[in-house]
Amino acid sequence: AQKITQTQPGMFVQEKEAVTLDCTYDTSDPSYGLFWYKQPSSGEMIFLIYQGSYDQQNATEGRYSLNFQKARKSANLVISASQLGDSAMYFCAMREISGSSNTGKLIFGQGTTLQVKP
Amino acid sequence: DTGVSQNPRHKITKRGQNVTFRCDPISEHNRLYWYRQTLGQGPEFLTYFQNEAQLEKSRLLSDRFSAERPKGSFSTLEIQRTEQGDSAMYLCASTPPGSPGVNEQFFGPGTRLTVL
Repeated sequence: AQKITQTQPGMFVQEKEAVTLDCTYDTSDPSYGLFWYKQPSSGEMIFLIYQGSYDQQNATEGRYSLNFQKARKSANLVISASQLGDSAMYFCAMREISGSSNTGKLIFGQGTTLQVKP
Repeated sequence: DTGVSQNPRHKITKRGQNVTFRCDPISEHNRLYWYRQTLGQGPEFLTYFQNEAQLEKSRLLSDRFSAERPKGSFSTLEIQRTEQGDSAMYLCASTPPGSPGVNEQFFGPGTRLTVL
């Protein structure tokens, strides 16, 4: 069964420093996608970055990068140069691509609350 | 605004009452998802529509829950005989046509349900 694990309930980081949010996953499907979403206190889910299981290079989107280690089944999010506006809940999610149902539903982790200190 | 919209944003109801939520996906997005998120947890999948067809339902979706997507446009999620355990944020998401595996899901702002 698919599973996403985020072991850090809360993290603190100083403004302008980098921070890594951990995510490990479990799936038997060879083809899958990994996502990170940000959820501010207002509640909306904001897409940050995507990594496909067959992508050779780690994904990057501006200050966000994904440290993808397939053998270890980890997909950690790195936020560089943290800003106060980065304070939010962060969710790692997975989607199987070649499963029999192939509905594209996302399986989410428990989330990590990030607080950026000025 | 061309994003996913959800109404109402907040709903307070008494136990035993029925409630209905609406989701309007991004225009031309044929895939629509409902998720439920309880406080401090990640969203959990409830159900999936491709156009007007409901193709998957989670075991979380008890008989008191029903979802529709007439004409493949907006979707409604109804909860009958609400219970306090139904209190949660209900999120709707949509994706465009094509492989569902690679496209990001665009989420609406959610409907926060409180059952007293």
